[in-house]
Amino acid sequence: DTAVSQTPKYLVTQMGNDKSIKCEQNLGHDTMYWYKQDSKKFLKIMFSYNNKELIINETVPNRFSPKSPDKAHLNLHINSLELGDSAVYFCASSRPEGRGDTQYFGPGTRLTVL
Amino acid sequence: SQQGEEDPQALSIQEGENATMNCSYKTSINNLQWYRQNSGRGLVHLILIRSNEREKHSGRLRVTLDTSKKSSSLLITASRAADTASYFCATDANDYKLSFGAGTTVTVRA
Repeated sequence: DTAVSQTPKYLVTQMGNDKSIKCEQNLGHDTMYWYKQDSKKFLKIMFSYNNKELIINETVPNRFSPKSPDKAHLNLHINSLELGDSAVYFCASSRPEGRGDTQYFGPGTRLTVL
Repeated sequence: SQQGEEDPQALSIQEGENATMNCSYKTSINNLQWYRQNSGRGLVHLILIRSNEREKHSGRLRVTLDTSKKSSSLLITASRAADTASYFCATDANDYKLSFGAGTTVTVRA
């Protein structure tokens, strides 16, 4: 059984389009995250939700909007895509306490903006 | 900002040899974690060491932590081809965030 799943795995789109990436976890965790990994493999936190409440909102363009319909899902919507948005986006989750605990990552979504 | 920095950036070893990589960080931490990322995959948690611990083992992995030097090391003993991956350290500074470094890419040659 997949613990943290993301769809789609690959996303190729034109500049200016709007796209969404979905994430679901079946671990019963309360905290979920979105990370962006650039071409140099540097992994940067974007957002985190704890029990559907936004708790981390790093300096990310407001074209990026996370949505958590319930604590098992955290989706990422991106408006007006730009070339610089091309990266691999990872969803992760952690136990209810959340703070500094082990994080479980999804397989990633490779976004390519043309 | 980037908290952990791994060294070296890349490492190539023969199967059966040991691989050692280091991580340095800047601020006080609650714990430090190591993750592995195989090509095209998500990160997998390997080991967590708390700030009051100095050494931890898990199978062929050995992690040390020196909080006075703000550094950690990951040793993989008797490496196998399957150990070929990128290895990341991540630090927890008492909030919900883990700060990751850019990783060490390890290649194990058969």
